[in-house]
Amino acid sequence: EVQVVQSGAEVKKPGESLRISCKGSGYTFTNYWIHWVRQMPGKGLEWMGRIDPSDSYTKYSPSFQGHVTISVDRSISTAYLHWSSLKASDTAMYYCARQSRSSSWYLDYWGQGALVTVSS
Amino acid sequence: DIQMTQSPSSLSASVGDRVTITCQASQDIRSYLHWYQQKPGQAPNLLIYDAFNLETGVPSRFSGSGSGTDFTFTITSLQPEDIATYYCQQYDDFPWTFGQGTKVEIK
Repeated sequence: EVQVVQSGAEVKKPGESLRISCKGSGYTFTNYWIHWVRQMPGKGLEWMGRIDPSDSYTKYSPSFQGHVTISVDRSISTAYLHWSSLKASDTAMYYCARQSRSSSWYLDYWGQGALVTVSS
Repeated sequence: DIQMTQSPSSLSASVGDRVTITCQASQDIRSYLHWYQQKPGQAPNLLIYDAFNLETGVPSRFSGSGSGTDFTFTITSLQPEDIATYYCQQYDDFPWTFGQGTKVEIK
């Protein structure tokens, strides 16, 4: 059974660093790109970027480029979203999702989401 | 970035009603559009891919149409379990972009 499982909720202070995780199981992790999507409180979905786990090639939305880093550890089938210095405006739910291998690039399996709260 | 404009932003309909949501792209995206459903407290879930293809296991009351810049998502007979927010999303170009969402409620 394919599963995408994210790490738990986090509460951080502005300026702190954070890494949240996204573990894939039940499939060959390196065969499927992983995407990250932000949802601010009460708002819509925003695409942040994606990574190819086979070679760690990343593509970011300009809105997030330079503020977050997406990475993977192939040995444990896990993707990460990292902030070096959080802001209050990073408070949001963050979802990771697997991209299908078909020519239709849809997100077929989603993690349960990780709530990040940044507050002094 | 390609802007995706959904309308309406919210709607209220009765069980059994036909519900239609539109999504307009700021440029031609061919058929590179998906529709997702997000129920309260849950992650999004794919319903329709490439404008009109029903994802496996999705009830046939859901459908999609359109190409180019104008797309339509329809629920032919609204059910109580369809209470959710629906999003269109284009993948014709990076960055991928979503519509702002349409919240569907039961009247």
